[in-house]
Parts: sequence; C-alpha cells; structure tokens
Amino acid sequence: GENVEQHPSTLSVQEGDSAVIKCTYSDSASNYFPWYKQELGKRPQLIIDIRSNVGEKKDQRIAVTLNKTAKHFSLHITETQPEDSAVYFCAAINTGNQFYFGTGTSLTVIP
Amino acid sequence: EAQVTQNPRYLITVTGKKLTVTCSQNMNHEYMSWYRQDPGLGLRQIYYSMNVEVTDKGDVPEGYKVSRKEKRNFPLILESPSPNQTSLYFCASSFRQGLNSPLHFGNGTRLTVT
Repeated sequence: GENVEQHPSTLSVQEGDSAVIKCTYSDSASNYFPWYKQELGKRPQLIIDIRSNVGEKKDQRIAVTLNKTAKHFSLHITETQPEDSAVYFCAAINTGNQFYFGTGTSLTVIP
Repeated sequence: EAQVTQNPRYLITVTGKKLTVTCSQNMNHEYMSWYRQDPGLGLRQIYYSMNVEVTDKGDVPEGYKVSRKEKRNFPLILESPSPNQTSLYFCASSFRQGLNSPLHFGNGTRLTVT
C-alpha cells in the first residue's frame, strides 16, 4: 500500500512570513494529492488539491507543488495570518480506492 | 445544504456494549468511508464503500463493522467496544473514487470507551 510521510509535525511562523509543509509518498501510481485544513474541534476541509499531470497549482495565498520523480509534494502558504493556524494534512490516492493521509502538521501563526 | 451528517457528536460507553455511529450524506455520493483520528497518527481509514452493498477494509478494520444498504447511509458498528477504540471518528464521502474527487467530512464523533 501507500505510505505518506509529512514534515514537520509542528511549525511556528511569524504573521506575514511563509510556511512550507512537505510530504513524500511511496507508490508511484498515486495520482491525486489533496491538502486538508483542520481547525481545532472541527472537521478536515479541503483547501487545495493537485493531480499527477500538473506540477504546480495556486489559489491566492496557497500553492501546492508536485515532483513526481522524487515522489514528494509541498504546501506553501504565503503572507500567513493568524486564521491560518490549524492542523494541515496531506493525502495521496493511488489507483486503488483508499486515501492515505500524512500524520499532520500543526501550524501556529504568531501575531 | 450539501453535507455529511454524523451522529452522535459525543459518545461515552462501557467496554462490550454494542454501539452504532450513523453517517448520512445528501450529495448522492457513491464513495463513503470511515476514519479514526488519533494524536500523532493522523487519519487512518477503517472501512470504505464504493457503492451500495460494496464494502472493503481499510488500514485498521479490526473491531469494526459497516453496512451500505442505501446509497446515502454508511453506519459504523462496534459490536464489542474496547478502550483502545477511544478516538475521534470521521465519516467522509466523495462523488466517485478513481476520478480524483475530494472527500467531504462529517463533523466527527468523539467516542470514549471506559
């Protein structure tokens, strides 16, 4: 099966700085990579996703990059704000039917 | 409003007492799944269902059962709960797996087994 590793597990940044979270995956057949944000006490919600035929995708202050050769993908948040503080999960989906999630990154944006 | 509804939100029970957590979605999604979330372990899949009457084991199925008699409902059954099943549970659905559809999560059920 797939193995998704996520780093770092915790991340603190000053407001306005950038934050980067990295994930690696093991199954070269994986073809869909979503990122979820989970605020304290709430459900995970999709913030951005990327498919294997795309190298980069951007949505306002959030971007995701994918390197299929190296089997890693990253979430980039620019101009961070306190409301960006949350736990972020990456995931990989292969040709099977299972989502494999990373272990999460707790991001704290310091005002 | 399109949503995934789980009930109950909180549940405290004792070892061995059978319980069911319900999950319902109103988006006509084919794919439904259950996850448990534990500190440091992220989200781990328990069971999933590709469509009515089709269910498969995820990564941590031991001690759980599911059924998919109707497209909208996917209950999680713990026949004999144990303390190691104390966790936060999420039901999720997506339009159709294999087409890179994102998951929509319910609000979660926090289960405590004493």
